[in-house]
Amino acid sequence: RKEVEQDPGPFNVPEGATVAFNCTYSNSASQSFFWYRQDCRKEPKLLMSVYSSGNEDGRFTAQLNRASQYISLLIRDSKLSDSATYLCVVPSTDSWGKLQFGAGTQVVVTP
Amino acid sequence: NAGVTQTPKFQVLKTGQSMTLQCAQDMNHNSMYWYRQDPGMGLRLIYYSASEGTTDKGEVPNGYNVSRLNKREFSLRLESAAPSQTSVYFCASSDRTGRSDTQYFGPGTRLTVL
Repeated sequence: RKEVEQDPGPFNVPEGATVAFNCTYSNSASQSFFWYRQDCRKEPKLLMSVYSSGNEDGRFTAQLNRASQYISLLIRDSKLSDSATYLCVVPSTDSWGKLQFGAGTQVVVTP
Repeated sequence: NAGVTQTPKFQVLKTGQSMTLQCAQDMNHNSMYWYRQDPGMGLRLIYYSASEGTTDKGEVPNGYNVSRLNKREFSLRLESAAPSQTSVYFCASSDRTGRSDTQYFGPGTRLTVL
């Protein structure tokens, strides 16, 4: 089993709609989590950090379910500019500073 | 601040050729990383340097070597390129103070090995 798993999508979302997708992780000892955003042919950039049960930043909400070992990302009022691949990232608990990346979930917002 | 810079942006090699990918950061970060990204797979760590003067293998180190030249620079060398090393390579850096695990990425190098 991969350490971090994501539905690759694509999730096709009408502009203005809400989209949500999950990421499952295998290491129950993980304490912090991240969502990175990666635009086509660009580098990943940090979108949100999740240290407790969840985090909200504007139209983006991340929630953590430790019992079931998954993190979700919800995007409200989707904009065309939200089209990207969203990477779920879990720090490795056995090595300082190392991150485990999911393969990403592609979101396509359509007019 | 330029953040993390990488050179070159694109490169085509023939099997067996060697090359060095350069990475530099101007954020005074202690830690630096090299990843490769292949279609359908997450970023995979090749090598990392927790601090100046140290380097360690990541998940996929075979066929690569690294040098942490100073605090700013971290290079990745392919001694004898193989088609399996065709990928996009990202360099990243992080401060790693307190709870901050945020890694900042360079724009990537797109490498094709024929």
